[in-house]
Amino acid sequence: QQQVKQSPQSLIVQKGGISIINCAYENTAFDYFPWYQQFPGKGPALLIAIRPDVSEKKEGRFTISFNKSAKQFSLHIMDSQPGDSATYFCAASLMDSNYQLIWGAGTKLIIKP
Amino acid sequence: GAVVSQHPSWVICKSGTSVKIECRSLDFQATTMFWYRQFPKQSLMLMATSNEGSKATYEQGVEKDKFLINHASLTLSTLTVTSAHPEDSSFYICSADLDRGYGYTFGSGTRLTVV
Repeated sequence: QQQVKQSPQSLIVQKGGISIINCAYENTAFDYFPWYQQFPGKGPALLIAIRPDVSEKKEGRFTISFNKSAKQFSLHIMDSQPGDSATYFCAASLMDSNYQLIWGAGTKLIIKP
Repeated sequence: GAVVSQHPSWVICKSGTSVKIECRSLDFQATTMFWYRQFPKQSLMLMATSNEGSKATYEQGVEKDKFLINHASLTLSTLTVTSAHPEDSSFYICSADLDRGYGYTFGSGTRLTVV
């Protein structure tokens, strides 16, 4: 119940295309769903986050879509650029556990020029 | 924005020695800090949660006598890997909670190689 399942494991997208990464969770107590971007040899950086009271959040080229009934959320990267090539992690926060993040397995995204 | 400074960014040490990694919150006070370990091509694995002025809470399977965590002030947490062995080689990352779980910020990570 504590798991967050992320797919795909890796993704190759042409420059200018849309990158889509999906995550699913079981625990309905989760109340915060962030996405992190990590470049090799660096710590993760918060990209965008959503709470379950909204179905979509957009920040620039990045959009989170949230489906509470299906317990799924996804990251969409519009007009994908080579600089977006990185590993992306979804996560969920459980308030009862000292706000610890439960992490997805990660998706390695490669944008082909 | 909030910055967590982690040092060193990489370290090579001999087997049997100890290594200290520092994590500082530069422009905010971090009541809670988290320490993660990340193996190549894997997700982050939470090692422990530290609260300022109290003992760290370790995740199951993490040896607290091997991975000593000290959070003596609101701006500094340290992780000491004691009697390091090659299997301790990994990428260690600290994180601070800015806003009750809604604003984590991460350090840049420390690549530890034990030879």
